[in-house]
Amino acid sequence: DTEVTQTPKHLVMGMTNKKSLKCEQHMGHRAMYWYKQKAKKPPELMFVYSYEKLSINESVPSRFSPECPNSSLLNLHLHALQPEDSALYLCASSQVGGIEKLFFGSGTQLSVL
Amino acid sequence: DAKTTQPNSMESNEEEPVHLPCNHSTISGTDYIHWYRQLPSQGPEYVIHGLTSNVNNRMASLAIAEDRKSSTLILHRATLRDAAVYYCILVNTNAGKSTFGDGTTLTVKP
Repeated sequence: DTEVTQTPKHLVMGMTNKKSLKCEQHMGHRAMYWYKQKAKKPPELMFVYSYEKLSINESVPSRFSPECPNSSLLNLHLHALQPEDSALYLCASSQVGGIEKLFFGSGTQLSVL
Repeated sequence: DAKTTQPNSMESNEEEPVHLPCNHSTISGTDYIHWYRQLPSQGPEYVIHGLTSNVNNRMASLAIAEDRKSSTLILHRATLRDAAVYYCILVNTNAGKSTFGDGTTLTVKP
């Protein structure tokens, strides 16, 4: 199984809503990542978890709250988002981290109204 | 982070080779060169990576300049399914993260 599964595939939320994005992998990878991608732009790194601990936060606003409950799961909790947060949110995983290749999910397309 | 520079777009004919260039003049000795591609409506997909020597795999070849300031991704026979955005990325062994540049949009004509 070399898949990274993200749910939901599409999400529409209001600025006062609370929602969560989910990511799952069963490859035994111990590093997991959240990226944000705006239309026609490259993915931008948001967070990195290594061995279930947050190792990198790229100065992401606190309205985005990551969580790694175990080595297979990664969540991104969303609260009080702005319309400019509308984007494709990509999850990735890799062995340990560093130079290892990343395996990406297909993403969650988020629209904030 | 060291930066990469790629052409915005390139075109190729089907079944012909494609050479996708990448400049990384500020590369450090601990930076690996990775290539990913992103097909429409999908997440990026790993293609190949290398440090100093040229590399081959079933998808592509990677040619790295002797001074490591540039590299070229080679698709030996382009197919319509190779139409995608190709990203050249420098991955530092110490930083533990991959920062994407702007990428090259490859169009393959039948």
